[in-house]
Amino acid sequence: GQNIDQPTEMTATEGAIVQINCTYQTSGFNGLFWYQQHAGEAPTFLSYNVLDGLEEKGRFSSFLSRSKGYSYLLLKELQMKDSASYLCAVPGNTDKLIFGTGTRLQVFP
Amino acid sequence: NAGVMQNPRHLVRRRGQEARLRCSPMKGHSHVYWYRQLPEEGLKFMVYLQKENIIDESGMPKERFSAEFPKEGPSILRIQQVVRGDSAAYFCASSPPGQSYGYTFGSGTRLTVV
Repeated sequence: GQNIDQPTEMTATEGAIVQINCTYQTSGFNGLFWYQQHAGEAPTFLSYNVLDGLEEKGRFSSFLSRSKGYSYLLLKELQMKDSASYLCAVPGNTDKLIFGTGTRLQVFP
Repeated sequence: NAGVMQNPRHLVRRRGQEARLRCSPMKGHSHVYWYRQLPEEGLKFMVYLQKENIIDESGMPKERFSAEFPKEGPSILRIQQVVRGDSAAYFCASSPPGQSYGYTFGSGTRLTVV
């Protein structure tokens, strides 16, 4: 089966850098997803990693280590609008996604 | 190109009533997934459907819940005899054939059972 673990809450200051960690255990590996979800809204896709290493996309970067079952999402130059939940997910069988409980990030001025 | 459309956005039902949640996938998408999100919790997979077929319903409660995706029209998630514990946000996602992880989520239906 799959198991995903990520911190429940984090806080950071506007302009800072924050790293949100995710550890996972899966019976097979088909990549790892990060989604952003603002309160009361739909999750929106941020990144998909299937190979080890860091992938950068503007202010957001995502890292994967398959041997360690570990990923992180790095947010730079934090803005108030980055206050949201960040969801780590891995594919299960039959194409469904298994989500962690999400990390609620609060950015303070 | 409209995104995944869910309606209603908000639904209030009394205990014992039926709730019907609708999801129209993006144009060209033939795979539909339903997820439930309880307050302060992550998204939990419920069911995966293709047109006229249920592919995986391993996340569906055994009773009172059913889902369909007919040849014509939206996918429907139906909850019979709702209870307070059914209060949650229900999200639908769709993906195109051959890109099963290329999910696009709808804005969700927030069900409140009073």
